[in-house]
Amino acid sequence: NAGVMQNPRHLVRRRGQEARLRCSPMKGHSHVYWYRQLPEEGLKFMVYLQKENIIDESGMPKERFSAEFPKEGPSILRIQQVVRGDSAAYFCASSSGQGRYEQYFGPGTRLTVT
Amino acid sequence: AQSVTQLGSHVSVSEGALVLLRCNYSSSVPPYLFWYVQYPNQGLQLLLKYTTGATLVKGINGFEAEFKKSETSFHLTKPSAHMSDAAEYFCAVSQETSGSRLTFGEGTQLTVNP
Repeated sequence: NAGVMQNPRHLVRRRGQEARLRCSPMKGHSHVYWYRQLPEEGLKFMVYLQKENIIDESGMPKERFSAEFPKEGPSILRIQQVVRGDSAAYFCASSSGQGRYEQYFGPGTRLTVT
Repeated sequence: AQSVTQLGSHVSVSEGALVLLRCNYSSSVPPYLFWYVQYPNQGLQLLLKYTTGATLVKGINGFEAEFKKSETSFHLTKPSAHMSDAAEYFCAVSQETSGSRLTFGEGTQLTVNP
């Protein structure tokens, strides 16, 4: 049973470009979470999605960031017009949501903005 | 609102010595508590969790943690450290609802000396 998959593992973007990060949850999981880990800091919640619905986006920056989890395909975290401060590791986690509360994490995407 | 405090951003022990990583939480509702481990450039791996029931929970790799409501603590212990335990450890709390976000502590870097 494959775990949470994220790609790319490393992404380099110049300031002003767009970054697209993909996450495929574990098989059978319909809940997806995105977290950001800035250098030397812990993980901060960004957004929680179920299929075709954003459930909680209270941790998302108000501008330039968006997320989706379509009926088919992976969840996408999109960052428009990236700035140097967006450089971080972005982790996706999934859970089954069926009375089970643990979240399983992917390996992360390390975004570097030059 | 919920929060997590991990006392000691760096802990160093000798191989074979007791490991104790401290975690205190704040939550307005009954908490669900987790410990995750992160190895360099990898995602987070779930070590153990407390949801309900027995307050002493055992996890993988010989780790265990005890939920103490009166002290609002969930400290992680291991009787005998191994070199392979060197990693960063994160304590996290969520609310008693399926699909709730995780709130993480700042992490504790564990060093194991030969």
